[in-house]
Amino acid sequence: QVQLVQSGAEVKKPGASVRVSCKASGYTFAGYGFSWLRQAPGQGLEWMGWISAYNGNTKYEQKFQDRVTMTTDTSTSTAYMELRSLGSDDTAMYYCARDQREPSAAGVFDLWGQGTLVTVSS
Amino acid sequence: EIVLTQSPATLSLSPGERATLSCRASQSVSRYLVWHQQKPGQAPRLLIYDASNRATGIPARFSGSGSGTDFTLTISSLEPEDSAVYYCQQRVNWPLTFGGGTKVEIK
Repeated sequence: QVQLVQSGAEVKKPGASVRVSCKASGYTFAGYGFSWLRQAPGQGLEWMGWISAYNGNTKYEQKFQDRVTMTTDTSTSTAYMELRSLGSDDTAMYYCARDQREPSAAGVFDLWGQGTLVTVSS
Repeated sequence: EIVLTQSPATLSLSPGERATLSCRASQSVSRYLVWHQQKPGQAPRLLIYDASNRATGIPARFSGSGSGTDFTLTISSLEPEDSAVYYCQQRVNWPLTFGGGTKVEIK
């Protein structure tokens, strides 16, 4: 079954870091990439960045550039997104989405994870 | 960054009616415009990519059109399960950006 399964909900204090995982199954992992997106409560979708599972190349949204790291582990078919220096405005549902493996083709999210709720609260 | 403006914000229609959703870009995105559907409590789902290509498994009542700066998502005959928020998204330039969404309500 082709699917992306994300890690469970997280509660973090301001200033902390969070790492969200996204395990892929049912397809050739290195044939695609991933985009990470988030959605604050009651708000729209925000793209955070993209990573190629083929060669590890990344492209981050400028506002997250200094505090986000996206990686992939081909041995476990898992993508990771780490966000550092969390603030209350980082409280959101975080999604991984399957994307294209080449940057020129990125932006077609044909498979989504179920989402991981990250709550930042003191 | 490219700004996408969706209209209307909310559309309230009866089953069987035709829904027309608009997405306007602040600069040309050629045909690199994508539509997603999000139902309450669920992850988004890809509907249309590159302006007019239906994604796998998407019913034929969903169609997309447009190029440049003006795009339309049409649902030809609304079903109750089409109640959702619909987002447009551009993929011509980094950063990838989304419109604010149109909520479709079924009367």
